Amino acid sequence: GENVEQHPSTLSVQEGDSAVIKCTYSDSASNYFPWYKQELGKRPQLIIDIRSNVGEKKDQRIAVTLNKTAKHFSLHITETQPEDSAVYFCAATKAAGNKLTFGGGTRVLVKP
Amino acid sequence: KAGVTQTPRYLIKTRGQQVTLSCSPISGHRSVSWYQQTPGQGLQFLFEYFSETQRNKGNFPGRFSGRQFSNSRSEMNVSTLELGDSALYLCASTSTPAYGYTFGSGTRLTVV
Repeated sequence: GENVEQHPSTLSVQEGDSAVIKCTYSDSASNYFPWYKQELGKRPQLIIDIRSNVGEKKDQRIAVTLNKTAKHFSLHITETQPEDSAVYFCAATKAAGNKLTFGGGTRVLVKP
Repeated sequence: KAGVTQTPRYLIKTRGQQVTLSCSPISGHRSVSWYQQTPGQGLQFLFEYFSETQRNKGNFPGRFSGRQFSNSRSEMNVSTLELGDSALYLCASTSTPAYGYTFGSGTRLTVV
């Protein structure tokens, strides 16, 4: 089955700096890669996603890149703000009813 | 429109008891999936239902079961509770094709 590894497990950045989280997946058939942000005590919220027919997607300060050949994808947050502090999860799936396989999560702390 | 609604929000049960959790998906979403979130194991897939049929199942013992009703609402049941079942149980819904999973706020189950 699919296996997703996520690094780093914790990330501390200064406000205004960039943050990068990397994930690798094992199943070449996976074709949908969402990223979720989970604040303490709250539900995971989808912040950005990318499909396998796209190499990069951007939404304001957040971007995701996908390298299908290397089977890895990354989340980039620019100009970080204290409200970006949360746990971020990457996931991979073949969609159409298949399970989301999650990475282990990255705890991001943005220091003012 | 209303999000994914899970009830109850909190539950405390004793070892050996059983529990039923409920999930109402976003209106129009026919796919409902369930995840267990623990500090040690992260987010793990339990099962997914679509049109009252279980399409996919994770690696959990048979004590974990679920069902989906004709209105797409779903329930999961855990029988003979163990201390290790203490977790946040999240459900997610999506339309077809299955992109953009939206999570509910979860049910936090504590087994004592």
